Amino acid sequence: SQQGEEDPQALSIQEGENATMNCSYKTSINNLQWYRQNSGRGLVHLILIRSNEREKHSGRLRVTLDTSKKSSSLLITASRAADTASYFCATDSTGGTSYGKLTFGQGTILTVHP
Amino acid sequence: GAVVSQHPSRVICKSGTSVKIECRSLDFQATTMFWYRQFPKQSLMLMATSNEGSKATYEQGVEKDKFLINHASLTLSTLTVTSAHPEDSSFYICSARGNYEQYFGPGTRLTVT
Repeated sequence: SQQGEEDPQALSIQEGENATMNCSYKTSINNLQWYRQNSGRGLVHLILIRSNEREKHSGRLRVTLDTSKKSSSLLITASRAADTASYFCATDSTGGTSYGKLTFGQGTILTVHP
Repeated sequence: GAVVSQHPSRVICKSGTSVKIECRSLDFQATTMFWYRQFPKQSLMLMATSNEGSKATYEQGVEKDKFLINHASLTLSTLTVTSAHPEDSSFYICSARGNYEQYFGPGTRLTVT
C-alpha cells in the first residue's frame, strides 16, 4: 500500500530561494530515502537517512527525520533552475519480507524559475 | 556508484502482443530486484519483487500471469507484459538492491496501441 504522503504537491519558487518538501508515512521504517526524477526519466538517489538519525546534509540538501511524528522534510537551499524536477520520498519498512521494498510518496513537483 | 540498465528504453507494441523488458545490474550482483510502474504525473507503484533463482513475489492486485518476471541470474531480471493492452501503457522502472540503497534503472516507456 502507498503510505507516503508528500506536501506540497507542487511548489514554484524563484532561483536562489529555498525549497522545503515534507513527507509523512505510517509504518515503522529502517530508513527513508529521497529521490529526484526529471520528466520522463529514471530516479536519482539524493540522500538516505536511517531511522536512528535525525538530520543529514549533502551539499545543498538537508533532510530531517522525526520518527515520533513519522515525518521527514527535504530542504534544498539556494535553488537553481536545474533543480526543477519531481521529488519523492520513499520508505524502507521494517520486517523480514518487507526488507528493501520501497514505498513511495506521491511526490512534489518543484519548479524553479530563473 | 552502481549502475542499473534497462532495455529497451522505449517500446511501442500492438494490443495483444507481448513485450519483454530487461533489467541488468552492470557492476554488482543483485539477488533482489524490484519492478515498479509509474503512470503519468503519478508516483511509483511496486509491482513485484524479483529474487534470483526463485519465484517473484507480486504485490496485491498485480496479475502474475500478465506480468511475468524471471530472475535467471544475479545480474538480470526480465519483465514480460503478456497480451498487452492500452491500459498497460506506462513507465516501467526496475531497481536492484545494494547493501543499503536501491539503484534504479532509467525506465522503459511502454506504449500499447
